[in-house]
Amino acid sequence: GAVVSQHPSRVICKSGTSVKIECRSLDFQATTMFWYRQFPKQSLMLMATSNEGSKATYEQGVEKDKFLINHASLTLSTLTVTSAHPEDSSFYICSASFFSREGATQYFGPGTRLTVL
Amino acid sequence: GESVGLHLPTLSVQEGDNSIINCAYSNSASDYFIWYKQESGKGPQFIIDIRSNMDKRQGQRVTVLLNKTVKHLSLQIAATQPGDSAVYFCAESPSGSRLTFGEGTQLTVNP
Repeated sequence: GAVVSQHPSRVICKSGTSVKIECRSLDFQATTMFWYRQFPKQSLMLMATSNEGSKATYEQGVEKDKFLINHASLTLSTLTVTSAHPEDSSFYICSASFFSREGATQYFGPGTRLTVL
Repeated sequence: GESVGLHLPTLSVQEGDNSIINCAYSNSASDYFIWYKQESGKGPQFIIDIRSNMDKRQGQRVTVLLNKTVKHLSLQIAATQPGDSAVYFCAESPSGSRLTFGEGTQLTVNP
């Protein structure tokens, strides 16, 4: 259980285009999902917290108009990178909170490699 | 804030040896701690977690130790195998909310 998927796994786009990344919790419902960005040989950096049915909460320094987040259902959150530029090239990873009797644990998706030309 | 670094700490061990990966955390309010394994090009994989009411927890070939006094966390891997080679991250969280990740440690297992 507690499987999280992401689509696509890899995307290459031209500068100025928008890219949508999907994050799905496959076997559980997730009221809260998280979006991270990871540069090579670095740790994960939290970008935003996605809450089902409400606006996302963005971390300091993350532009909400550039990284649009929609969490329209209990199993799907999407991240749209608008007007992408080469500096947006990175590994984007989502996670979903899974609640058990012991509390909440975050399970991660496989990541999406974005390359902006 | 988030830990950022250009050079991951590394640990190199021989196959069959035990590995110990250490992590220092900073938030005294954190009460939930997780170890993740990340292979190249993949998302983090949950290994084991521990809550602040415990100081030790064991899984299959892995043990996590928590020392709240000095804010230190460790992951012990018994009989390390080549498939254990990866980057290992500790993460801390107050009350099971947002996670703060450590810088990661690159584990290399030599056959």
